[in-house]
Amino acid sequence: EPEVTQTPSHQVTQMGQEVILRCVPISNHLYFYWYRQILGQKVEFLVSFYNNEISEKSEIFDDQFSVERPDGSNFTLKIRSTKLEDSAMYFCASRVSGVNTGELFFGEGSRLTVL
Amino acid sequence: RKEVEQDPGPFNVPEGATVAFNCTYSNSASQSFFWYRQDCRKEPKLLMSVYSSGNEDGRFTAQLNRASQYISLLIRDSKLSDSATYLCVVVGGSYIPTFGRGTSLIVHP
Repeated sequence: EPEVTQTPSHQVTQMGQEVILRCVPISNHLYFYWYRQILGQKVEFLVSFYNNEISEKSEIFDDQFSVERPDGSNFTLKIRSTKLEDSAMYFCASRVSGVNTGELFFGEGSRLTVL
Repeated sequence: RKEVEQDPGPFNVPEGATVAFNCTYSNSASQSFFWYRQDCRKEPKLLMSVYSSGNEDGRFTAQLNRASQYISLLIRDSKLSDSATYLCVVVGGSYIPTFGRGTSLIVHP
């Protein structure tokens, strides 16, 4: 069964360091998302990406965050200068289409710990 | 009012019990609704979509009430393996799936 894969599964970093989280969405999917979940809290939308550009972003997704699709398969989330409050599980997700219907498939997540 | 609201629980029920979760949403233009399941420290996984006419999948029944802007999930004959957090997901006009904070279910022997 096709799946969304994410790397690394866990990253520990020092405050102020740059972090890149990587995702390989399902190959025929067209819409890509990053969500984050702080421990014990809800799954929060960060950004959606379609046709090689950001389609929507939340207020969490400030100038410290960026996304890229550097090639035909990878989809990355970069945090330029990490803060303690960036510690969370980051989930990548993809869907076949962006219209209202359609299941969102999640990767297993990348746990980011900022010290 | 939060976009998607759920009672966080936990709901603590014995095996075999029937349990129901509700979820309310604020955007009346929302078009798609889902229930996801999330196990501890794992990714959310689709449990079922919610259709206007209501739908059933084995022991699970989902209902949508557009007039009152809520959806529900009913689990019959609870199993130990049903213990998880159940996430209500609503897709509005922006096509962004928005999650509720989840309802925790604990099924005990």
